[in-house]
Amino acid sequence: QSALTQPASVSGSPGQSITISCTGTSSDVGGYNLVSWYQHHPGKAPKLMIHEGSKRPSGVSNRFSGSKSGNTASLTISGLQAEDEADYYCCSYARSGLYVFGTGTKVTVL
Amino acid sequence: QVQLVQSGAEVKKPGSSVKVSCKTSGGTSSRSGISWVRQAPGQGLKWMGGFIPILGTANYAQEFQGRVTISTDESTSTAYMELSSLRSEDTALYYCARDMGGAMVPFNAFDIWGQGTMVIVAS
Repeated sequence: QSALTQPASVSGSPGQSITISCTGTSSDVGGYNLVSWYQHHPGKAPKLMIHEGSKRPSGVSNRFSGSKSGNTASLTISGLQAEDEADYYCCSYARSGLYVFGTGTKVTVL
Repeated sequence: QVQLVQSGAEVKKPGSSVKVSCKTSGGTSSRSGISWVRQAPGQGLKWMGGFIPILGTANYAQEFQGRVTISTDESTSTAYMELSSLRSEDTALYYCARDMGGAMVPFNAFDIWGQGTMVIVAS
């Protein structure tokens, strides 16, 4: 069970759009429509931003969107704001009741 | 509104065990799965394992197999994570999280999280 691969960091200016990739295998990301994304400020509880690949929980801004192609899922943040600066993690179901998280991406708003 | 409330910080000696609790309050979600996720200093989130009540089974990440036990007490709506043979690398913030999966598909994503429990392993 290897961690899903994410870029270590992504940055953008306010108002821009950024995309974070999350690459796995056919045993996790590619095999199920169960990729979720979390916003995490260290020391605080992670916050669910996207579930089932592209669904937004109630209360999450529509500036956040998710998609998947093959073994790679993506999180796009449009209209980047200072408050979006945080760590972001993808997570995928990976058979037999197992989950695996991504390596994490630090988003910096320039 | 459902909340997960975890037990307080722990300091443990290497080789010992720790048991962290996670109580569900403010709602009836005893049939929801609970997973445990940890974050070691300077590292990312890592899924350790989870318990799915409607299946009555616990599943563990390979890295923690044999050292971690996840259980629940439905009478008190409390989940537990016990980690044994502690070593310094187990120093981390441990979170419990509710799986929003339903009866038909019990696996989905983690929509509610506990506040985290710091476990420090030091001699």
